[in-house]
Order: sequence, then structure tokens, then C-alpha cells
Amino acid sequence: NAGVTQTPKFQVLKTGQSMTLQCAQDMNHEYMSWYRQDPGMGLRLIHYSVGAGITDQGEVPNGYNVSRSTTEDFPLRLLSAAPSQTSVYFCASSYSIGRNYGYTFGSGTRLTVV
Amino acid sequence: DAKTTQPPSMDCAEGRAANLPCNHSTISGNEYVYWYRQIHSQGPQYIIHGLKNNETNEMASLIITEDRKSSTLILPHATLRDTAVYYCIVNMRFGAGTRLTVKP
Repeated sequence: NAGVTQTPKFQVLKTGQSMTLQCAQDMNHEYMSWYRQDPGMGLRLIHYSVGAGITDQGEVPNGYNVSRSTTEDFPLRLLSAAPSQTSVYFCASSYSIGRNYGYTFGSGTRLTVV
Repeated sequence: DAKTTQPPSMDCAEGRAANLPCNHSTISGNEYVYWYRQIHSQGPQYIIHGLKNNETNEMASLIITEDRKSSTLILPHATLRDTAVYYCIVNMRFGAGTRLTVKP
């Protein structure tokens, strides 16, 4: 039981490049979400999904796309990387949208855009 | 969307209780309050959550006011390893958190 797995752990991109941050969970959780954390700040919700085929925007969705084709995977796509997207990205999952269940977080992906 | 407000930092003596407050005055009737902590840059770790009643587990206690507009996380016997940033969360939204420093 690996929990929430994020890959890669570190990434450096050039401005304008695109990439996909991977997130996978093996707990059969319905709910998954992506957060970003800038230095010295709290986490901000980017996108979330309440089940396969269903996604919605969070607080800071611009510049990011998501899809949820399976229960296990929730990739985050940066379409055209900008220095403002330099951040640590966390993926989280939960058994449900959160009425009575806590979230399990991955260990994060540290992204630098130069 | 409900927002949370926490003091930016707090100190606590080792072995003493740490009481971390959170204001969530715009919380809706069916929204839970969650508490997480983050040590260094690791992924946040779940501590406890509640809706109306006070809750206790092996890590902490959660006291929620009757009007549900605020809550307090209690670490009964703080240790040096409890030094971390503590987040109070409503509706998947994190605030800035409280940096708790436990001192010997």
C-alpha cells in the first residue's frame, strides 16, 4: 500500500515548456486534488476531482489542466510554464469529498521554472 | 467559501499543552473543520477533524465552539517533534497556518 505517489520529485523547466505532474493513489479513493505551495505560504487548491470523469476548478486554476480517466490517477498538466508557477505541488486523495474523511497527501513535486 | 484565520506563530514549552486557535466564522452547517500539520516541506499530515462535537484521538483534541465559528487544537503534552506549521482547513481551503515552535 503506497498511498499517494507523486512523480517526479524535482523538475526544472524552461519558460514556455509543458509538462505533466503525475499523481497516483492505490487506496480506491474517489476524491483527489492538487495544491501548490509557494515559499512561506499555505497550500492553495488548483483543481480537484470527486470521481473518474469529474473535475472542477479550485482557487488558482489558471495555467493548469487536469483530467481523471481512472480512479487511481490524477495528472496535472502545465500547458506553457511560467516563472510564477515555480512552487511545490502536492497531490491529495480522500475516500470521499471530505464529509468525514481526512486527506492523504503525497510527498510533493518541487518545480522550478527558469 | 469558508475561510480560516490563524495566528502566524506560537511558542510552547516542551511537556506543556499547546493550544492553537482557528477562526472560521463563515463556516457552513455541514462543513467539517480539519487540522493538519506540515513539518519542513513534507506533505501535510492529518491530525484530527470534527463537525460539532469535541473530538479526541491519539494525537490531539479538537474543541469546537457551540456556534462553530472557531475551534482550538490541543496537543496535550507537546514535544520537540511537534514543532511544525499547523493548518486549520474548511472546504479544502488552507489558511496561512500557525508555526508552532516547541522549546526545551
